[in-house]
Parts: sequence; structure tokens; C-alpha cells
Amino acid sequence: SQQGEEDPQALSIQEGENATMNCSYKTSINNLQWYRQNSGRGLVHLILIRSNEREKHSGRLRVTLDTSKKSSSLLITASRAADTASYFCATDDSPTDKLIFGTGTRLQVFP
Amino acid sequence: NAGVTQTPKFQVLKTGQSMTLQCAQDMNHEYMSWYRQDPGMGLRLIHYSVGAGITDQGEVPNGYNVSRSTTEDFPLRLLSAAPSQTSVYFCASSPLPGTGPKEQFFGPGTRLTVL
Repeated sequence: SQQGEEDPQALSIQEGENATMNCSYKTSINNLQWYRQNSGRGLVHLILIRSNEREKHSGRLRVTLDTSKKSSSLLITASRAADTASYFCATDDSPTDKLIFGTGTRLQVFP
Repeated sequence: NAGVTQTPKFQVLKTGQSMTLQCAQDMNHEYMSWYRQDPGMGLRLIHYSVGAGITDQGEVPNGYNVSRSTTEDFPLRLLSAAPSQTSVYFCASSPLPGTGPKEQFFGPGTRLTVL
């Protein structure tokens, strides 16, 4: 079964608003990653947060990790139409090195 | 660098046919993997490899074979195609994980339809 599950499944917002996506996972991890997928394309890595980190920033992206709740959130601030994509979290299946993806959140940003 | 390349981009097969999806990377990455993506299912890991000569199963390995004779190439073989294997297939690579996998680089995908 899949390790991570994103919530919500779909999200629609206006440009300029913030978008928050959540990811829950089942077992212990070494790190958690977030990826973006534009329609018809491969996935692109956004950010990686290690299990001993609680928050990480990259440009307009902010990721938090709560290992006690086995959950992570991705916040995109001041969203743009170009942020329209699907977003996936991925966790390593410790102790193996498999990377397991969640089901994704489809984000639509309207101009 | 070309990154991760996949061929073909599109393929239509009849039930029972076999074929090989090609994947190559020029980044000298040791870790390579194959995923399939179905609507509403996210990405599911089929097989992965941590280096030449080493492969292992993922979540959904049945009906697929892989081999890793070189660092660069990681082909995925469909032994006897079934309609349930209709999907988009992605290959990915990354440096060998130390404490967990690092950033994965994805190919553009192969869209496979099995009739």
C-alpha cells in the first residue's frame, strides 16, 4: 500500500492566495520530499526535509514535518497561475531505500 | 546532460504481446526506479535498483521484469501485456541514498495502452 496520502485531493484558489497541502504517512522515515507534476509531464523535485527537521523554506514554498503525527504540509504562498499542477509527497520506506509516493493533490490556480 | 530519457513516448500493444520500455540516464546515478501512474492512484513503484547487477521489487512488480547490466540503463520488460497494464510509466534516478533516497530525477514518461 502507498506510504503517503495527500489531502485535499483537489484544491482551487485565486492567484495571490496561499495554498496548503497535507501529507500523512504510515511508518518511520529518514526524509520526506515534495514533487510537482505539470499535466502530461514527469515529476520535478521541489524540496526535501529530513526527519530531524521541523520546517524548511525554498522561495515561496514552506514545508513542515511533524514526525510524531506522521504528517507534513506544503504551503505555497502568493500562488500564481503557473503553480497549477499536481503535488506529491514521497517518503523513503525505511530501512529499504524505496521511495514511495502519495496519491497527490491537484492544485488549480485561477488568474 | 540529457538527464533521464525514456523511449518510446507512446506505445499501443495487443494483449499478450511483450515489449521493453527503455530508460537511460547520464548523471552516473546508482539508484534507478520504475513507477506507473494511474488516475487517482498516484505513482506506484514497480521495481528499483541500487546499482548495476542489483534489482529489487517495489509495490506492484507482477508482470514486469527488470535488469541492470550498466549504471546508465534500466529497461522495464512487460512479459505478456494485459489491459491492466495500461498506464503512464515513469523512470527515475538519483544518487545512491545515504540516509534515505535523495532527489529523484524523472524521465518524461511512456504512455502505454494495451488493447
